[in-house]
Amino acid sequence: LAKTTQPISMDSYEGQEVNITCSHNNIATNDYITWYQQFPSQGPRFIIQGYKTKVTNEVASLFIPADRKSSTLSLPRVSLSDTAVYYCLVGDPNDYKLSFGAGTTVTVRA
Amino acid sequence: ETGVTQTPRHLVMGMTNKKSLKCEQHLGHNAMYWYKQSAKKPLELMFVYSLEERVENNSVPSRFSPECPNSSHLFLHLHTLQPEDSALYLCASSQGRGLETQYFGPGTRLLVL
Repeated sequence: LAKTTQPISMDSYEGQEVNITCSHNNIATNDYITWYQQFPSQGPRFIIQGYKTKVTNEVASLFIPADRKSSTLSLPRVSLSDTAVYYCLVGDPNDYKLSFGAGTTVTVRA
Repeated sequence: ETGVTQTPRHLVMGMTNKKSLKCEQHLGHNAMYWYKQSAKKPLELMFVYSLEERVENNSVPSRFSPECPNSSHLFLHLHTLQPEDSALYLCASSQGRGLETQYFGPGTRLLVL
């Protein structure tokens, strides 16, 4: 499993864009990058997944450079309800093990 | 509502008690998971079942005993737990393997006295 490193915490204000960068220097060829969101006392929720370049859905965008050694989750125009822990996961789709790190606690203020 | 339900939502038990956590998924998925999340720690994968067969067991103490009678139900039987086992226990399911999107239940908050 590729090890990931992401900031422990980030603060933002409503309406701003939040970008969380995750480092995964030893990512393997078969590995995908997945982001989950977790609110207090709830289970994580899938946000987005990608392999390379850019992926966008109704919630977020995921930017992956050509070397794939890092990725950036972009949350556009955050609101107070986006306050949560965001996890970056890297792994082989054929592997059952998901390795959740410490995540990034994003706090959105009014 | 993710399609994964867990009962009970909260549980307090003594170290000599025996209790069971229940998870049910209504998504038609093939794989189910138990995770443990202790305070200020990352989620730890405990068990994985695929098509009712256990495929992962991450060196979990024997006082935790999983059971998967069918692809929709997953249990975690608890006995002679320790206070350090107090945590949020999360169940998840997915259609296929690991990086297939996992859908998590709300969790059971367990307190061992």
